[in-house]
Amino acid sequence: QVQLQESGPGLVKPSETLSLTCTVSGGSISSYYWTWIRQPPGKGLEWIGYIYYSGSTNYNPSLQSRVTISVDRSKNQFSLQLSSVTAADTAVYYCARRFVSGDPKVGYYYYMDVWGKGTTVIVS
Amino acid sequence: EIVLTQSPGTLSLSPGERATLSCRASHSVSTTYLAWYQQKPGQAPRLLIYGASSRATGIPDRFSGSGSGTDFTLTISRLEPEDFAVYYCQQYGSSPYSFGQGTKLEIK
Repeated sequence: QVQLQESGPGLVKPSETLSLTCTVSGGSISSYYWTWIRQPPGKGLEWIGYIYYSGSTNYNPSLQSRVTISVDRSKNQFSLQLSSVTAADTAVYYCARRFVSGDPKVGYYYYMDVWGKGTTVIVS
Repeated sequence: EIVLTQSPGTLSLSPGERATLSCRASHSVSTTYLAWYQQKPGQAPRLLIYGASSRATGIPDRFSGSGSGTDFTLTISRLEPEDFAVYYCQQYGSSPYSFGQGTKLEIK
């Protein structure tokens, strides 16, 4: 079955760029949307954005000026870059697969069915 | 932007009791775009319900979802010890694809 694993530095200095990679195993990155979500300590979930395997993206407007999500199909990976970080960007970062099911008659269902375990990034 | 408001913030119940969690949207959300997730401490969220009422693979039938428009509900018919966790609703109808702030279900 498909598994996701986040990787990257656990400590980033203020004003620098946070870079994380999510490796997809047990399946192909093709034909799916891939998402980044984060969770500040003790708080709820925030959707950061997604990328389609072909490269098209959609970002949260609150982060759009600082976020870049990219995909490397040859490595079955997708990545997150968040620039000009501050302490407010300290969080657990999750990658997830956005799944689409259904048909034109019933309608299409969108949800995140596979998640990575998350990686903690501290900005300090 | 669609804001999802979950209530209550914390729900204290005993095993065997029924839990009813609410998710209210600031604008109408198609049922096909409403999902519920469960998160336990130190773990990633897990998909419970998609399409407002369809259980994800492997989810016990004590979990059920309902609702439409702006009001959605997650019901756990008889609480098991492993159900005590934080629950989030999420909408995928309009970007940004927001989450509710969560309901913490704790043991009474």
